[in-house]
Amino acid sequence: DTGVSQDPRHKITKRGQNVTFRCDPISEHNRLYWYRQTLGQGPEFLTYFQNEAQLEKSRLLSDRFSAERPKGSFSTLEIQRTEQGDSAMYLCASSTGLAGVTDTQYFGPGTRLTVL
Amino acid sequence: DQQVKQNSPSLSVQEGRISILNCDYTNSMFDYFLWYKKYPAEGPTFLISISSIKDKNEDGRFTVFLNKSAKHLSLHIVPSQPGDSAVYFCAARGASSYKLIFGSGTRLLVRP
Repeated sequence: DTGVSQDPRHKITKRGQNVTFRCDPISEHNRLYWYRQTLGQGPEFLTYFQNEAQLEKSRLLSDRFSAERPKGSFSTLEIQRTEQGDSAMYLCASSTGLAGVTDTQYFGPGTRLTVL
Repeated sequence: DQQVKQNSPSLSVQEGRISILNCDYTNSMFDYFLWYKKYPAEGPTFLISISSIKDKNEDGRFTVFLNKSAKHLSLHIVPSQPGDSAVYFCAARGASSYKLIFGSGTRLLVRP
């Protein structure tokens, strides 16, 4: 399977704990995106990387959230001091970055976070 | 302020008939539109897209229509199959950003 992969698929944590998610994009995709989806809503953009550079961050990405893509391949999203409002599906997507206007994002299966 | 709206939360159609899913947007700077399908506990799967320079794009049973003057797009599925039952999201991207802005989704049920 050469699609986007995410790990773990499910995470249950207690309020106040830190969690880290990993995303492996499609091989040779230059752009990597993080989104968050809550029940009944569409995905909401969090941040994106062009290779290792983080080029855009949403105001949804509070100081407790940090994302990295150190070598321009996989990415991690860390949430510090989790709150119950952080419970959501965290989705990762990647794109080639070479198709100009028609650059299409392909999504992974997501990590479902539950904060107790 | 929702820039992309899917006003029908659900749609039910008979197998073999046409499914029409609608999406409205407010930002005239959007230049690329996509439809994704999502099954429970899975990530969104890309279906079909259209750039703002076109008004129609077709791929097999799926056709997307774009009406820029009305800021409206629609996805037609013909013929509908039970396996098409899922939540469908439309998404739009602005010319100055690579982020996608999604609607809230329409749940399609295709009855056998």
